[in-house]
Amino acid sequence: AQTVTQSQPEMSVQEAETVTLSCTYDTSENNYYLFWYKQPPSRQMILVIRQEAYKQQNATENRFSVNFQKAAKSFSLKISDSQLGDTAMYFCAFTVQGAQKLVFGQGTRLTINP
Amino acid sequence: DGGITQSPKYLFRKEGQNVTLSCEQNLNHDAMYWYRQDPGQGLRLIYYSQIVNDFQKGDIAEGYSVSREKKESFPLTVTSAQKNPTAFYLCASSIHGTVSQETQYFGPGTRLLVL
Repeated sequence: AQTVTQSQPEMSVQEAETVTLSCTYDTSENNYYLFWYKQPPSRQMILVIRQEAYKQQNATENRFSVNFQKAAKSFSLKISDSQLGDTAMYFCAFTVQGAQKLVFGQGTRLTINP
Repeated sequence: DGGITQSPKYLFRKEGQNVTLSCEQNLNHDAMYWYRQDPGQGLRLIYYSQIVNDFQKGDIAEGYSVSREKKESFPLTVTSAQKNPTAFYLCASSIHGTVSQETQYFGPGTRLLVL
């Protein structure tokens, strides 16, 4: 069974700082996909970034980037120049090719302080 | 505006009562999903449907039921068999249901509380 672990229940940084959220996963599959979702206080989940396991290049979306370490089964999210609007729960998620579901981690509550 | 709506925002259930959570989407998506969110546990899949009149159990389907009579609607019933229903429920949709290739779009959620 695939599992996703986020070991940091809460994090807090000052505005404009860089923060890295950790995620590890366990799978025996070779063809899979990883995601980071953001859930702001409004509770509506939003996709932040997506990574295909077969791609060696780390995905980036503006201030958001990932550090994908396939051998270590690690998928961390880096937020650069953090903003107050980045305050949210962040969930790491995983799926394999052909699957009909996502497996989510427990979430990390990130607070950006002014 | 295209999107997913869930109602009600808050729902109270009495012991032994069945309650139904509404989920509607106007994105013309084939696939729809129901997740349960508990503190410290992330999201867990209850049911999903990739086409009208067909649906599949997720990881925690016991005590829940769904229907998919229309493409745009995927209501979730929390039955009296669900002994611990207090949670936040999220509905999602995607174009065809190929989760690895598609973005899942989420609704604003319904918080269910037991009286």
